Amino acid sequence: DGGITQSPKYLFRKEGQNVTLSCEQNLNHDAMYWYRQDPGQGLRLIYYSQIVNDFQKGDIAEGYSVSREKKESFPLTVTSAQKNPTAFYLCASSIGLAPTGELFFGEGSRLTVL
Amino acid sequence: GNSVTQMEGPVTLSEEAFLTINCTYTATGYPSLFWYVQYPGEGLQLLLKATKADDKGSNKGFEATYRKETTSFHLEKGSVQVSDSAVYFCALYVKTSYDKVIFGPGTSLSVIP
Repeated sequence: DGGITQSPKYLFRKEGQNVTLSCEQNLNHDAMYWYRQDPGQGLRLIYYSQIVNDFQKGDIAEGYSVSREKKESFPLTVTSAQKNPTAFYLCASSIGLAPTGELFFGEGSRLTVL
Repeated sequence: GNSVTQMEGPVTLSEEAFLTINCTYTATGYPSLFWYVQYPGEGLQLLLKATKADDKGSNKGFEATYRKETTSFHLEKGSVQVSDSAVYFCALYVKTSYDKVIFGPGTSLSVIP
């Protein structure tokens, strides 16, 4: 079945460590996105990529980095510069170079800083 | 700017009750409107959508009508089930120089037997 796979599902990090969240899709979608979700808040866009080797900052990119070396992969690195990284992270993809609003989501990765 | 406002939760209903979750939006241009649902511990799934004024989106017994005059897209279901317990997000997309989907804060629904 086609879909988006995020890993790991749960991740614990010590302060000062960088961590990388994996996102892989086999939907052949051009665009991919990373969102952050905090309790009681909506989704906030971290980064997005519309084509390979190109990506754009979203609303809260500080302290995060991404790469898009392959169409099916869009890993997110949470760096030590991110002041409050504990959150639920969602990866999504969409058909075409621009979203129509129809996003396909992975099951998320929950990051906890100890 | 573009934004989405939803009624605050949590909402608690008894099984078979009628559900309404209010959503209003502000947008330049002509947005497409969406409802997404998030079950506990999972990602979001598209529940329904409407792309132009007066369109009605429907799925799994849920409905929402795109009301341009009131800038609203309220979600309704005639008889909720325990399995409908989830967080519901209203969202909009309008093509601008900065393509992105804008989500509301979400409304948590709990349905009790």
